[in-house]
Amino acid sequence: KQEVTQIPAALSVPEGENLVLNCSFTDSAIYNLQWFRQDPGKGLTSLLLIQSSQREQTSGRLNASLDKSSGRSTLYIAASQPGDSATYLCAVRMDSSYKLIFGSGTRLLVRP
Amino acid sequence: DAGVIQSPRHEVTEMGQEVTLRCKPISGHNSLFWYRQTMMRGLELLIYFNNNVPIDDSGMPEDRFSAKMPNASFSTLKIQPSEPRDSAVYFCASSSRGLAGVRSSYNEQFFGPGTRLTVL
Repeated sequence: KQEVTQIPAALSVPEGENLVLNCSFTDSAIYNLQWFRQDPGKGLTSLLLIQSSQREQTSGRLNASLDKSSGRSTLYIAASQPGDSATYLCAVRMDSSYKLIFGSGTRLLVRP
Repeated sequence: DAGVIQSPRHEVTEMGQEVTLRCKPISGHNSLFWYRQTMMRGLELLIYFNNNVPIDDSGMPEDRFSAKMPNASFSTLKIQPSEPRDSAVYFCASSSRGLAGVRSSYNEQFFGPGTRLTVL
């Protein structure tokens, strides 16, 4: 059974710092991995989608990497800003499956 | 595109009452998902529709929960009767799926803003 873990559960950093959020999964037979952002009381916003054949995806100050063999993905946020404060969730989709299996999220606070 | 639309955004009801949550997926998307989010269990998939047909309802917790998708632009999740333990945020998500038979053609899911349900 696939399990998705995100460490740390919470992170507080000063503005301007570069940071890395981690996501690990137990079964490497994934089809893709998706990173989401969730603001308090809001829905999920898709940030990046990495297909299993890809190593990384970039969008602005965000860069997500994927290492299937080791069961890991990282989300790199450059030059963090207070507006980046939110909970970040990763989710994996297994081969030929529609289901997303979510991690429990990392709650990020960027201090001004 | 307005994205996935859910209503109501907040619902407070008393135990035993019927609750109906509504979702309008993104136009052109043919897959629709209902999720529930709680502090204890995180995000859980309740039911998945493809081309308006329920494909997997194994995540529906009890017979008190039912979902319908009468057409490509509308879905409902109903709880009858509601109980305090049903209190959660319910999300609807949609995605497009590629050609039938094409392996791994499930695409990015887009989520609605959610309905925060409180059952007293």
